[in-house]
Amino acid sequence: GENVEQHPSTLSVQEGDSAVIKCTYSDSASNYFPWYKQELGKRPQLIIDIRSNVGEKKDQRIAVTLNKTAKHFSLHITETQPEDSAVYFCAASQYGNKLVFGAGTILRVKS
Amino acid sequence: GAGVSQSPRYKVAKRGQDVALRCDPISGHVSLFWYQQALGQGPEFLTYFQNEAQLDKSGLPSDRFFAERPEGSVSTLKIQRTQQEDSAVYLCASRPRTGKYEQYFGPGTRLTVT
Repeated sequence: GENVEQHPSTLSVQEGDSAVIKCTYSDSASNYFPWYKQELGKRPQLIIDIRSNVGEKKDQRIAVTLNKTAKHFSLHITETQPEDSAVYFCAASQYGNKLVFGAGTILRVKS
Repeated sequence: GAGVSQSPRYKVAKRGQDVALRCDPISGHVSLFWYQQALGQGPEFLTYFQNEAQLDKSGLPSDRFFAERPEGSVSTLKIQRTQQEDSAVYLCASRPRTGKYEQYFGPGTRLTVT
């Protein structure tokens, strides 16, 4: 079955700097890769996603890149703000069905 | 509009008790998913419905776990004879029509088994 690895497990950046979180997946049949942000005690919120027919997608300060050959995808957050502090999860799926999540990255933005 | 809702938000059960967790998906969403999230970890898939049909239950950890969605809307996850290792947050997610991949999560039910 699918296995998703996520790095780093924790990331501290200064406000205004960029943050990058990387994930690798094992199943070449996976074709949908969402990213979720989860604040303490809250629900996971979908922040951006990408399908395998696209190499990059951007939404304001966040972007996701996908390398199908290497089976890895990354989340990029620019101009980080304190409210970006949260746990971020990547996931992989076939056609948006069973999501297999990474272990999460705790992002701390220091002001 | 209203998002996915779950009840109860918190549940404390004594070991051996049965529990029932409810999920109300976004109105009109065809697919519904259950995940289990242990403390400090990512959610893990339990089961998935399309309308009332349970299409994948490969993630249910034992036959003590049972899920249903009889009318293709509200879903219930039932855990029989709860054990301490069942303590976790149980998340429900719903997804719109076929062809749309995004899953939207509810706030979860935090189950503590004592």
